[in-house]
Amino acid sequence: SAVISQKPSRDICQRGTSLTIQCQVDSQVTMMFWYRQQPGQSLTLIATANQGSEATYESGFVIDKFPISRPNLTFSTLTVSNMSPEDSSIYLCSAAQGWSTDTQYFGPGTRLTVL
Amino acid sequence: AQTVTQSQPEMSVQEAETVTLSCTYDTSENNYYLFWYKQPPSRQMILVIRQEAYKQQNATENRFSVNFQKAAKSFSLKISDSQLGDTAMYFCAFMIDSGNTGKLIFGQGTTLQVKP
Repeated sequence: SAVISQKPSRDICQRGTSLTIQCQVDSQVTMMFWYRQQPGQSLTLIATANQGSEATYESGFVIDKFPISRPNLTFSTLTVSNMSPEDSSIYLCSAAQGWSTDTQYFGPGTRLTVL
Repeated sequence: AQTVTQSQPEMSVQEAETVTLSCTYDTSENNYYLFWYKQPPSRQMILVIRQEAYKQQNATENRFSVNFQKAAKSFSLKISDSQLGDTAMYFCAFMIDSGNTGKLIFGQGTTLQVKP
């Protein structure tokens, strides 16, 4: 299984600012994903981070608000732009080593609070 | 659209006893995968068990086993000999086999407390 780390682990940000979250995997993986977990709720897929091309976004999530980069097979970033208090959530990165149907392993998450 | 339902928001069990967490799902797909993930208070999501829909045999991992009823679209998790470290939120998740998306659809979660 892949070991995944995220930075920062938590942050408190002001309304209108942006935060970039980093996700690092200890081995090359085919697929990387970003999820959001709102307080006390389940996980929702934001987008699939594609290496060398634009991310694939789920309905309700747009690139201008959540730009994603994936420069190589072990690293991805998610930016939360122009933040509002509604963006306060835990953001989790996950990765699958082979096929898209392979088991996904998750990072520890980034707890974001927007004031 | 696929949906996953966990009807038990909270459960508790005495240490060393057995507990079963329920999960139902709705899909028109025939090929898919089901998962149980555990999220302890530390927040790290950990895979507990995985089941391929084409396999009739129920998956097991040590003290964890599932009861997969494909016709009923049910996928419950049984934890035997519960331990204090099993205290966590448990999520049931679903993934279809087509489209190459890798998208996981999660249920709302069940908070399990193991009591000493």
